[in-house]
Amino acid sequence: DIVMTQTPLSSPVTLGQPASFSCRSSQSLVHSDGSTYLSWLQQRPGQPPRLLIYKISSRFSGVPARFTGSGAGTDFTLKISRVEAEDVGVYYCMQTTQFPYTFGQGTKLEIK
Amino acid sequence: EVQLVQSGEEVRKPGESLKISCKGSAYSFTNNWIGWVRQMPGKGLEWMGIIFPVDSDTRYSPSFQGHVTISADKSINTAYLQWTGLRASDTAIYYCARGVNRNSQFDSWGLGTLVTVSS
Repeated sequence: DIVMTQTPLSSPVTLGQPASFSCRSSQSLVHSDGSTYLSWLQQRPGQPPRLLIYKISSRFSGVPARFTGSGAGTDFTLKISRVEAEDVGVYYCMQTTQFPYTFGQGTKLEIK
Repeated sequence: EVQLVQSGEEVRKPGESLKISCKGSAYSFTNNWIGWVRQMPGKGLEWMGIIFPVDSDTRYSPSFQGHVTISADKSINTAYLQWTGLRASDTAIYYCARGVNRNSQFDSWGLGTLVTVSS
């Protein structure tokens, strides 16, 4: 199985400041079709997960432009340019390149 | 708007059976994948498995293979997750989610079904 490792596990951020989350996979996520199936999801308290970013850097419909994904191969990053109160929650990376699909353990975003 | 409507909260005793459901609407249910994800209390997300309703092609995580069964009834746009011998450790919220293609992201999620297994 591909192991997804996220750092940090917790990220206290001041409102209006940037935030950055890292995700590393135990092997390359480049599929034989050339695409890299790495996505980022947000889970606010008490809610189901919500897709933010797919294929490393494509922003899903309705996701604010302050969310940006980047990376390649085995190293990926999600950045929030200016954190807002509604961004509080847990952020997960997920790979769907190879079965079984796997999630990272999540990074909790808290407001300082 | 794509919707995945999951069945309601369930309480069972260890050893009992259970089948929960996920009904899709406003999209081609048959031609999209449906995945199941577990979230134990206070914990992260775990991918359980996925099914392609048009031919019932199903893949499981090794962590769940043999303990759960994923199925679908394309005539009523509904996917299922079932157990025949529940354990206390199955207590969790179970989410279904849609994948447009086999390797694609999960872009729509149900609200989750809380399953509590307790004697």
